[in-house]
Order: sequence, then C-alpha cells, then structure tokens
Amino acid sequence: GESVGLHLPTLSVQEGDNSIINCAYSNSASDYFIWYKQESGKGPQFIIDIRSNMDKRQGQRVTVLLNKTVKHLSLQIAATQPGDSAVYFCAENINFGNEKLTFGTGTRLTIIP
Amino acid sequence: KAGVTQTPRYLIKTRGQQVTLSCSPISGHRSVSWYQQTPGQGLQFLFEYFSETQRNKGNFPGRFSGRQFSNSRSEMNVSTLELGDSALYLCASSRSTLDTEAFFGQGTRLTVV
Repeated sequence: GESVGLHLPTLSVQEGDNSIINCAYSNSASDYFIWYKQESGKGPQFIIDIRSNMDKRQGQRVTVLLNKTVKHLSLQIAATQPGDSAVYFCAENINFGNEKLTFGTGTRLTIIP
Repeated sequence: KAGVTQTPRYLIKTRGQQVTLSCSPISGHRSVSWYQQTPGQGLQFLFEYFSETQRNKGNFPGRFSGRQFSNSRSEMNVSTLELGDSALYLCASSRSTLDTEAFFGQGTRLTVV
C-alpha cells in the first residue's frame, strides 16, 4: 500500500543555518503534499503545501521541493531559529479534494543555539 | 478567527468503557477529519466527514465511529476501550471538497488504564 516515509528521524542544526528535511513517498498517484510542524503538546501546524503540477513552492523562510521522478519531497528552512525546533511531518493526499492525509513518521528538528 | 477546538483536552478512561470526543471546526469549514497519533504508529487517518456524511474511513475497527452535525461540528466515539487506544486524537477541518488545506486542533489526549 501507499506509504510516506522520512529519511532521518532526527536532525540537529545550528541556529542561523539552513535545514533540509526529506521525505519519500511511494504512491505515484499522490497529487497534493503538505508539510506540518508539531510542537510538544500541540496539534500539527500547517507550514506549506504543494500540488503535483509544481516542483517548487516558497513561503516565508520555507521552500518545498517536489521531485516526482524519484517520489521525493523536501522542506528547506532558511536561517533557522530556536522556535523552529519541532517535529516535522510530510503528508500526502492521494485524491485531490478528498481530505484523507497519509502522514510520514516525522523528523525531529533541534536548533542548537 | 477561532481555530479548530477539541474537547476535552485530556481524558482518562478504563478498559471496556466508551468515550466521545468533540471537534468544532473553523467557522465556514465543512470538512472534518479525525486522526489518531501514537508514538508507534504515527498519525493515522480515522475518518472524514463532509456535510454530515462520512466520505472516507481509515483502517480502524468498528469500535471507532463518528458523526457530523448540521453545524459541521463532529464527534467521534470509541466503544469498548482497549489499552492500545491510548493516543492523541486530532481533528482537522478544511473548507470544502476542493480545498485540502487542513488545519488541526490541539487534540484530545486519551489514556486508557
């Protein structure tokens, strides 16, 4: 069945540096991808999304890259801050407009002051 | 505007009991989906409702059920609780069938003893 996985379960980055969190997905029918940030004791917070007809999308300090050829998704966070420390999840939606998200296992990002 | 509201935030139940969790979506959002989050299984999709109809269901036993009311508020029920049902239950809302940007609530932490 479909699955969304992460390459690294933990990542430590020096404050001010850029970080890249990777995600692999297995279902080529996936047409919509979202990155969420989850801080301790809170629900997942929407960061950025990308549809399958795009390969790059930028937000404030964040960029998502989608490589459909190798079914790979990445989240780049520029100039990391202590508040970026959290668990980051990628999620895929196989049917556009159908609110069923399949989540990866998550990567814990720790920003070192 | 107010975000997704889940009540209660914390619950302790004993095995065999049943529990009802509540979710109030963002005003104007008509789709509500539920997820179970555990350290071992991550975030897993339970079900999704739109206009009082269940459109999607995940791979959970029939002990897990839900419903949506005409004001889009949703409840989920778990009967005959098992220890393995201990988890963070998250609710997400989104605007419509063509909008998959889902916003999550803080979750309900259920502990079964």
